[in-house]
Parts: sequence; structure tokens; C-alpha cells
Amino acid sequence: GAGVSQSPRYKVAKRGQDVALRCDPISGHVSLFWYQQALGQGPEFLTYFQNEAQLDKSGLPSDRFFAERPEGSVSTLKIQRTQQEDSAVYLCASSPWGSNTGELFFGEGSRLTVL
Amino acid sequence: AQTVTQSQPEMSVQEAETVTLSCTYDTSESDYYLFWYKQPPSRQMILVIRQEAYKQQNATENRFSVNFQKAAKSFSLKISDSQLGDAAMYFCAYRSASRKLVFGAGTILRVKS
Repeated sequence: GAGVSQSPRYKVAKRGQDVALRCDPISGHVSLFWYQQALGQGPEFLTYFQNEAQLDKSGLPSDRFFAERPEGSVSTLKIQRTQQEDSAVYLCASSPWGSNTGELFFGEGSRLTVL
Repeated sequence: AQTVTQSQPEMSVQEAETVTLSCTYDTSESDYYLFWYKQPPSRQMILVIRQEAYKQQNATENRFSVNFQKAAKSFSLKISDSQLGDAAMYFCAYRSASRKLVFGAGTILRVKS
């Protein structure tokens, strides 16, 4: 596709349920990032992939959060046993390898509401 | 760790007027990029302008320009001839060799007709 695609756009989960959020980056982009954005706040870094390798997961808030990118393209962010504080917009972004512009290209996000 | 501070939670500007959004950052690195992103209500982040730290010349993109003061670690965005479509949340962001972007808390820009 032409841009970063995320699904679902909206997800409502009951507390304790597991959720999976999908990101399809721009074709050929090697770097992929996940961010969490609380209402009215700036995005907070969660994790970073270069191809299939997860090079930085320092932003994942707990071991309930898990991300993977097994074939170096599509990525899935999984949240286990969701809690109310997990409610946020989850943004995915991609970037081409070797880019010296530093720009990240963002998807529209997945809004998670935990009841 | 790098931090980005946007001290203006909200700004208003009259259509066709000029507005400046402030941003300061903290880093010990010498090579990095700075960005302004726009986030309309649809939530997709759109790059407005970028600045490489090694370049002394301020970046400009049509009606958007920056005032980059490296020693002061300041990176403000000036929007000239403001238009209704400029209304959005604006984020200042920093990117270093670690590749991840660090964002400020954002500034809501309202444009009055």
C-alpha cells in the first residue's frame, strides 16, 4: 500500500482480555516502531524493529506487552490481560533503511478502549 | 535521556496571521534531527518540517519555517499566513542515532476565521 496501515482502527476490550493490533508498514521499509499515545499527550516509544529483529523494547510498560515482526514486514503488538490504563491510541510508524532524513511515516493508529 | 519540552499547551491565531510554537530539548549528543509533526483529528501524524542539527541554516517549507538555536537547544516553528487547515495538534520531536523519536507533549493550534 501507499502508506502505513493499521488494524483494527477501534478496539473495545473487557478488562482481562487479550488484544492484538496489526501494522502493515510501507513496502520496503526496514525500520518499524510502535508508540502509545494517551489522550491529549505526545506519543511514547514502545519498541523498535529492524527487519525481524527487535532492537529496542525499552518502552514496553510491562511483560503483558509483546511485539513481533516475524518476516520483517507486518508487525503485531499483543497486549495480554488488558487493564484500564492500557486504553490509548497505538501508533505504528516505519522508516526506510539508511534514510538520512530521519523521518518516520505514521499510520492512523488503533484506538484501544478497555472497559 | 533526551527530553523534549513544549511549554504552550494551546495557541490561537487569526486566519492569515503568523504564529510561533515553542520547543526546547535536552541532549548531550551532537548529531541529531529535529522535527515538527502535525496531527489533525484523524490522528495520522504528518511531517511538517525537519532540521538536521549540523546545518546552521534554518529549514523552511512554504509557509512553515523554524528558528533553530543549537546552543540554546531551542527549535520553534513559525507558521505564516495561517489557514483554517493548519488547526491541529503540533508535536516537536527529536531523533538521534538510537533512531527512535522522542516527542514533546504537543501544542493545540486553533485558527480563528
